[in-house]
Amino acid sequence: QSVLTQPPSASGTPGQRVTISCSGSRSNIGSNTVNWYQQLPGRAPKLLIYSNNQRPSGVPDRFSGSKSGTSASLAIRGLQSEDESDYYCAAWDDSLNGPVFGGGTKLTVL
Amino acid sequence: QLQLQESGPGLVKSSETLSLTCTVSGGSISSSSYYWGWIRQPPGKGLEWIGNIYYSGSTYYNPSHKSRVTISVDTSKNQFSLKVTSVTAADTAVYYCARLVLRIAASDTRRWFDPWGQGTRVTVSS
Repeated sequence: QSVLTQPPSASGTPGQRVTISCSGSRSNIGSNTVNWYQQLPGRAPKLLIYSNNQRPSGVPDRFSGSKSGTSASLAIRGLQSEDESDYYCAAWDDSLNGPVFGGGTKLTVL
Repeated sequence: QLQLQESGPGLVKSSETLSLTCTVSGGSISSSSYYWGWIRQPPGKGLEWIGNIYYSGSTYYNPSHKSRVTISVDTSKNQFSLKVTSVTAADTAVYYCARLVLRIAASDTRRWFDPWGQGTRVTVSS
């Protein structure tokens, strides 16, 4: 069972906006920034969002992140077929003195 | 462009020791701004942090694995390694190495993994 809680699945049609939630606690999301990783089928995770809402170079601005209290969200607008992937949230945990991950959300583009 | 590559046996017998190496290219493992980490993903499951190491040799382990895990670094080869002793079927997973970026801001320290290696699949057989 993962420390951070994500819905196991999400879906949307091309062009739609979808959001994926991530819930934690005071020792992780409540005290530290949130990162999001995209894992395409059969591939390694790739950094998608860091420090709550920052996009690495090369990540389209269709992807955005936000955080409030002990929860965070990833939003994808203008959904495209290539966005079909697993998405993981992560945050440092002060009690663990290490990172914790969500269980992952499988996004399906209908 | 920094790249990481995992290497090691894909099959390990139960009760033996799993040994993996991560080779860093395109940059120095001795940079003061980064740690280096191991993360694993059991089949069909999510990501699990195993531990991190600094180029000086300082290590930080997930308490769930601390008794069986050792991470070491060889700066002369720009590599860091993972050993897991007394493996069981529960250790079957894809193992990833990654760079842990640290950014100290005014009020906090921010950390994220980037980039990741391609991963190596390890199966524990009985």
